[in-house]
Amino acid sequence: EVQLLESGGGLVQPGGSLRLSCVASGFTFTNYAMTWVRQAPGKGLEWVSTFGRGDDDTYYADSVMGRFTVSRDTSKNTLYLQMNSLRVDDTALYYCTKGWDLLQYWGQGTLVTVSS
Amino acid sequence: DIVMTQTPLSSPVTLGQPASISCRSSQSLVHSDGNTYLSWLQQRPGQPPRLLIYKISNRFSGVPDRFSGSGAGTDFTLKISRVEAEDVGVYYCMQGTQFPRTFGQGTKVEIK
Repeated sequence: EVQLLESGGGLVQPGGSLRLSCVASGFTFTNYAMTWVRQAPGKGLEWVSTFGRGDDDTYYADSVMGRFTVSRDTSKNTLYLQMNSLRVDDTALYYCTKGWDLLQYWGQGTLVTVSS
Repeated sequence: DIVMTQTPLSSPVTLGQPASISCRSSQSLVHSDGNTYLSWLQQRPGQPPRLLIYKISNRFSGVPDRFSGSGAGTDFTLKISRVEAEDVGVYYCMQGTQFPRTFGQGTKVEIK
């Protein structure tokens, strides 16, 4: 059974940083791309970043380019999202998903609130 | 960026009756590999989204056969043949053909 467990969310002031983690199980982590998607309160879904099959195979939404960095640790089956220079409009539930061109499985999400 | 436009944004339906949601993309979703990476996702209240349909018309594992997808190029449709109470939620189309990945605004399905 595929499981994705996100953590690391919380309350942070504008300009601050957070690192989200997503521990994956139930599939061969190194064989699949992984994607972060976020959902602001009461809003729709927004693609954030995708980690492909290699360290150089990363993609970002314009809204987070230069501030967020996606990475993975294959020894821990864990996907990360380092978020710097956070803004109020980054407030959202952040989902970790398995997939590249289709998002097969989703975690429960971790809530990031950026507020002073 | 490819813009995904869904209609309607709200769909009140009677239990047991059909429902249909349209999704239009601002450019063709046909990939250079010949596939069309159009997916449909369902988000029930308080739950994360889940994949229903991928590559236009393929039902994902465990998805009931009352859900079906169709379309080509830039116009796509999700149909629910007979709406059940558990189908209440918001439905999104998503394109995986090009970066950035983009979603439709979402269509809320509710029971009349």
